[in-house]
Amino acid sequence: NAGVTQTPKFRVLKTGQSMTLLCAQDMNHEYMYWYRQDPGMGLRLIHYSVGEGTTAKGEVPDGYNVSRLKKQNFLLGLESAAPSQTSVYFCASSYSLQGNEQFFGPGTRLTVL
Amino acid sequence: LAKTTQPISMDSYEGQEVNITCSHNNIATNDYITWYQQFPSQGPRFIIQGYKTKVTNEVASLFIPADRKSSTLSLPRVSLSDTAVYYCLVGEGLESNTGKLIFGQGTTLQVKP
Repeated sequence: NAGVTQTPKFRVLKTGQSMTLLCAQDMNHEYMYWYRQDPGMGLRLIHYSVGEGTTAKGEVPDGYNVSRLKKQNFLLGLESAAPSQTSVYFCASSYSLQGNEQFFGPGTRLTVL
Repeated sequence: LAKTTQPISMDSYEGQEVNITCSHNNIATNDYITWYQQFPSQGPRFIIQGYKTKVTNEVASLFIPADRKSSTLSLPRVSLSDTAVYYCLVGEGLESNTGKLIFGQGTTLQVKP
């Protein structure tokens, strides 16, 4: 049981480039989330999904797009990367929305030059 | 979601019991209280969750007074490996009106030998 995995672990982009972060979970969870974490700050929710084929905006959605074509995968896209998107990105999944138990991946460290 | 307030940092020594208190004066009737732990370069990990009174698991205890306006995470006999950031969250998950989980800045616990 791998839990939640994220690809890639590290990435450096130039301003304006695009990329996709992949999150996969093998726990058959319905709900998945993308967060970003900046130095000295807590996590901020970017987008989330309550099931296959659904997505919704979180706290800081601007500049990001997501897709949930398969239940086990949740993709985060940056169409035109900006230096302000330099951050550590965490994916998480949960069995239900009731309560707050989420399972997190190891993170992707993204630097935009 | 109810705003939470917790100390920015705490120091302790190996073998001591550590209590981290979180204030959440505006907690709503349906809100749960959840604590996460985050080690450097890792995603947060769920520790414990409760609604009222006391909850105990193999890792920690959570004490919640009758008015539920605060909660205390208790870590028994900490070791160096308990050095981490601890987050207090209050909410009913993404079914709340705001649709997000607020992690805040957390409490950085430093355990010394």
